[in-house]
Amino acid sequence: NAGVTQTPKFQVLKTGQSMTLQCAQDMNHEYMSWYRQDPGMGLRLIHYSVGAGITDQGEVPNGYNVSRSTTEDFPLRLLSAAPSQTSVYFCASSYSHNKNTEAFFGQGTRLTVV
Amino acid sequence: KNQVEQSPQSLIILEGKNCTLQCNYTVSPFSNLRWYKQDTGRGPVSLTIMTFSENTKSNGRYTATLDADTKQSSLHITASQLSDSASYICVVSGFNTGRRALTFGSGTRLQVQP
Repeated sequence: NAGVTQTPKFQVLKTGQSMTLQCAQDMNHEYMSWYRQDPGMGLRLIHYSVGAGITDQGEVPNGYNVSRSTTEDFPLRLLSAAPSQTSVYFCASSYSHNKNTEAFFGQGTRLTVV
Repeated sequence: KNQVEQSPQSLIILEGKNCTLQCNYTVSPFSNLRWYKQDTGRGPVSLTIMTFSENTKSNGRYTATLDADTKQSSLHITASQLSDSASYICVVSGFNTGRRALTFGSGTRLQVQP
């Protein structure tokens, strides 16, 4: 039972570097999303996808890109890392976003930008 | 603006005791309310999902209540165990700028001591 798998678990970047956070799910879920979690705040939605080939912006999309070429994978790209992007990133998936279905979260990627 | 407020921010109880966590929300229109448990360094895991018509739901020693009229929910933990030490996050599903969206509370950090 892999569920939602995120890699890497930890990453340190220098300001200006780019990188991709990987997310894969094996539950054939339509809906996938990326969140960031900062101290003292609730999770905030970065980008989401309702199916392969379809992506849309969430609450805090600036500085991030996503793509959804397959149902299973939903990578998050940081184009030019900034210290403000230091955070814990969570990928989540659910069967459908339009019904009361459970969301499954990955274990998170802790990113530090120096 | 949709908001979810949780109280208390943190709580320490002795093993075997009961506790109740509170969640107030201003999300409208409302679709469902979820409680998640997040262990340190892990992703959130779903405990309960309640729709508008449900006013109580249990999952083992966890019982969630919902009052949609006053927009309040509580999570009651019975006979606490050391493994209950975690953050508990209240999440409300509604609509934001025409899209279904999840609004996350910042969580209550529970510590169960022997």
